[in-house]
This record gives sequence, structure tokens and C-alpha cells, in this order.
Amino acid sequence: NAGVTQTPKFQVLKTGQSMTLQCAQDMNHNSMYWYRQDPGMGLRLIYYSASEGTTDKGEVPNGYNVSRLNKREFSLRLESAAPSQTSVYFCASSAYWTSGGQETQYFGPGTRLLVL
Amino acid sequence: AQSVAQPEDQVNVAEGNPLTVKCTYSVSGNPYLFWYVQYPNRGLQFLLKYITGDNLVKGSYGFEAEFNKSQTSFHLKKPSALVSDSALYFCAVVLSSGSARQLTFGSGTQLTVLP
Repeated sequence: NAGVTQTPKFQVLKTGQSMTLQCAQDMNHNSMYWYRQDPGMGLRLIYYSASEGTTDKGEVPNGYNVSRLNKREFSLRLESAAPSQTSVYFCASSAYWTSGGQETQYFGPGTRLLVL
Repeated sequence: AQSVAQPEDQVNVAEGNPLTVKCTYSVSGNPYLFWYVQYPNRGLQFLLKYITGDNLVKGSYGFEAEFNKSQTSFHLKKPSALVSDSALYFCAVVLSSGSARQLTFGSGTQLTVLP
């Protein structure tokens, strides 16, 4: 049981290049999330998928797109990378998008992205 | 809008001493509160959460936190710190009502336990 896995672990891009960050979970969770972590700012939600087939914007969605490929996989795409997108990206999942927000989120190990 | 504040960027404590990592929150309704820990080059790991009921919540690795509604605080505590507790700690809040169910994180507190 690997939990939440992310690929790649580290990536260097040039400004304007595109890339897709991959995330998969094997916990049969319904909800998945993408966060970015910047020094001194905690984690900020980029996009989330409450259930398979749905996606919604979080706090900082500009410059990103997502795809919920199936129940297990949730990818994050940068169409034209900018230096401001240099960050550590975390994927997370939780069992349900319940009426209470009580569900614990489980995080992957992160992807370190450097945009030059 | 909901928010979380961790007033201390850095907390140092000697091994064997009690530790406290502070967290205060601001929401317009009833909060669900979480603590996560991040070890170097790792993802966040869940420690504990307050949903309802007993204000004292016990979690993993001997940590506990006390929900104080009047002071809007949810401080993380441990009676006797270990060097292995050194890590980055995040407090987070979710508003119990509303549609978004988004976790809002504090900026993090770096805990260093000195041998």
C-alpha cells in the first residue's frame, strides 16, 4: 500500500515550457487535491477534485490546469511555466468530500519544481 | 474568510522538556482543526484533529492539542520532547459549513529539539 505517490520528484523547466505533474493514490479515496508550498506561506490549494469527474479551483489556480483521469489519478499541468511557479507541489487525497470537512487528507512526498 | 496563525516561526526546546507549538484561528462558524508534521524532504503527515466533543485531542507520537473556543486557539503539546520530534509543524482549519471544504494552513513552525 503505497498511499499517495507523485512523479517526478524534481524537475527543472525553462520559462514557457510545459509539464504535467502526476499523482496517484491506492487508498480508494474519492477526493484529491493539489497544493503548492512556498517558504513562510504554508500550503495553498491550487485545485481539487471532490469526486471522480469533477474538478474545482482552489485559492491559487491561475497558470494551472488539472485532470482527474480516473478515481486513482489526478494530474496537474503547467501550460507555460513561469518563475513564480517555482515551488514544491503536493498532492493529497481524502476518503470523501463530506458535508463536514472532517476527512483527514493524506499527502504525497512532493515534487520540487524550479522554473528558470 | 477563514485563517490560521502560527505566531512562532521557530521553537527550540531541550530534549525531555515539554513542548508547545501555538496556533490560533479565525473562522465565522465552527472549525475543524488539524495538525500536520513535515519532516525534511517529505510530505505532510497527519498528527491529530479536532472535530467535536472533548477539547483535548490525543494524536500520534504522544502529541496532543487543546481546542479553546474562547481564545480561538488549538495549541499542540507534548509532555516530553524527543530529538526525533524536530520537524516543521502546520496547523490547519476547515470551516464546518459551506461548500468549499478547503484546508487553510498556517505558515508553519519549525520545531528544534536540542539534545
